[in-house]
Parts: sequence; C-alpha cells; structure tokens
Amino acid sequence: NAGVMQNPRHLVRRRGQEARLRCSPMKGHSHVYWYRQLPEEGLKFMVYLQKENIIDESGMPKERFSAEFPKEGPSILRIQQVVRGDSAAYFCASSPPRTGNSPLHFGNGTRLTVT
Amino acid sequence: AQTVTQSQPEMSVQEAETVTLSCTYDTSENNYYLFWYKQPPSRQMILVIRQEAYKQQNATENRFSVNFQKAAKSFSLKISDSQLGDTAMYFCAFKGPQGGSEKLVFGKGTKLTVNP
Repeated sequence: NAGVMQNPRHLVRRRGQEARLRCSPMKGHSHVYWYRQLPEEGLKFMVYLQKENIIDESGMPKERFSAEFPKEGPSILRIQQVVRGDSAAYFCASSPPRTGNSPLHFGNGTRLTVT
Repeated sequence: AQTVTQSQPEMSVQEAETVTLSCTYDTSENNYYLFWYKQPPSRQMILVIRQEAYKQQNATENRFSVNFQKAAKSFSLKISDSQLGDTAMYFCAFKGPQGGSEKLVFGKGTKLTVNP
C-alpha cells in the first residue's frame, strides 16, 4: 500500500527557472495539501486541493506560485521564476475528504535548492 | 488565527531516561485536534500521537504520552525510556474543528537528541 509519493526528492534550479514538484496521494485519498518548510522552521500551510478544485489557498504567495490537482495524474506545485528565498523543503500530504482526528499522511518532501 | 508555540528549540536526554517537550497553542475554538509529529534526519513526517480536545483522558501510545491541559492550552509530549532512534525534530500541530479548515498549524519544532 504505497504512501504519498513525491518527486523529485531533490531539485536544483537556477534563479529565474521554473520548478515543478509532483505529488501522488495515497490510494483512496482525494485531497492533497502542500506545505513548505524553511530551514530551522516548522511546516507552513500553502494550499489545499481536491481533484480539479482549490479549496483553500490562503497560504500561497500571491505571485509565481500555483497548484493544481487534475482529474488524472498527480498534484503539481509550480513555482515560476524561482528566487533564492524559494529554497526550502516542500511537503505534500493527502487525506480522505473529512479528516477529523485522522492524521495527514505526508510524503518525504522535495528539497528545492535555488542557485 | 491559531498559533502554536514550542518554547524549547533544542533538548537532550540520556538513553533510557524520560524527557518532556512543551507545546502551547492559542485558539478560540472549543473543539479541535492536536498532534505531535516526529521528523528524523530522513525528513519524513511521522505521526507520534494525537488528541481530541473533547476527550479529557490523555492520549498514550507505547512510550509516548501527552499531558493535555485544555484550560491552559498546553499539550506537552512525554517520551519515556528514550531510545537513540527517538533523535529527531518534534513538531506540535493544531487542527480546527471538523467542518472548518482542514489545515494543520505547526510549531517551529524542538530538536531532540538522545545520548548513549
């Protein structure tokens, strides 16, 4: 029973390039969350999606960041024109529609390094 | 907005001893959920223990237990008989009531080192 799969594990981009981070949720999970972890910090919520719908994007930066979860395929977090401050670990988590006290299941994260 | 505070950036403990990690939070909600996650160097986020605010009994999972003080908005984690494999970052997290926001709010973490 595969868990949440994120790829790539590590991603290096030069300033100004685009970064695409992928997340496949656990089997049977229809909701995906993206979190960002800066060095020496906790995880910060970015966006919450269900298939073909963004439910809560209150944590997303206003520019350059976007997320989607298409009907088919993985969820994608896209960062355009990356800057050094985007360097962080990006975590995806998945859940069924209503979590209650059920924990989010996290992937192993993608570490983005912007040079 | 909810906030979660972990006041101990780093802690250390001798193997086989007991350690307590602190967590306080701020919310106006009455029903909510609290979690402790462990993040070892592999970076994986692993659930350690969870607590529903409407339950007075403190949650326990093997060597891990919590001291949940709802009035004080405190949710500390006690690790008994510490093992070398417990070395990790520990994050306290808050989630609001079902039907509301599903996002987790994390504290900044406590780096725990278990010494042999």
